[in-house]
Amino acid sequence: DQQVKQNSPSLSVQEGRISILNCDYTNSMFDYFLWYKKYPAEGPTFLISISSIKDKNEDGRFTVFLNKSAKHLSLHIVPSQPGDSAVYFCSGTGGFKTIFGAGTRLFVKA
Amino acid sequence: DSGVTQTPKHLITATGQRVTLRCSPRSGDLSVYWYQQSLDQGLQFLIQYYNGEERAKGNILERFSAQQFPDLHSELNLSSLELGDSALYFCASSVEGQGIYGYTFGSGTRLTVV
Repeated sequence: DQQVKQNSPSLSVQEGRISILNCDYTNSMFDYFLWYKKYPAEGPTFLISISSIKDKNEDGRFTVFLNKSAKHLSLHIVPSQPGDSAVYFCSGTGGFKTIFGAGTRLFVKA
Repeated sequence: DSGVTQTPKHLITATGQRVTLRCSPRSGDLSVYWYQQSLDQGLQFLIQYYNGEERAKGNILERFSAQQFPDLHSELNLSSLELGDSALYFCASSVEGQGIYGYTFGSGTRLTVV
């Protein structure tokens, strides 16, 4: 039962351009959606979140958009930097459970 | 250093054996979560404890069990190990019970079953 799906296993972007990572979900009971970034040999680190009652949240170069009717969210990184190269996990939180997607590996080329 | 400590970092053991993974949460955090990440897959939720009590359960096998002690550290026990249990096991903590402000993850324990 994949409640959170990240359909793109990888994404390659040129430095300075926009990176757009997508996520779809099926569970309408999620209260919050959170994005995490993971470097090799480290645990995921929290990046940005959005409440289910909002449609946009921005933090510096990172913006998350939520489309509830489409059950879709996206993470925009502008401008992309080589240090952003990592695996990005989308997650939905509700009822004391957080369900993660499979992750998207972002490559930012210099 | 995220503040969440997991030990050991690596573990190699044989099929049929039992192992214990340990997690010390970030200071002040009451919730502990365990996740399993198999090869190139997402993070599969196993179980959550809040202040010593089990709060939520995910796809945790009956061969696996966990507990959170009064000092808030947690242990994940894996028994009758199979080759398919080889994975990265992450512990995370949060100050409240729902994780809406994000979790703090440890660096994981890599378990290899041979």
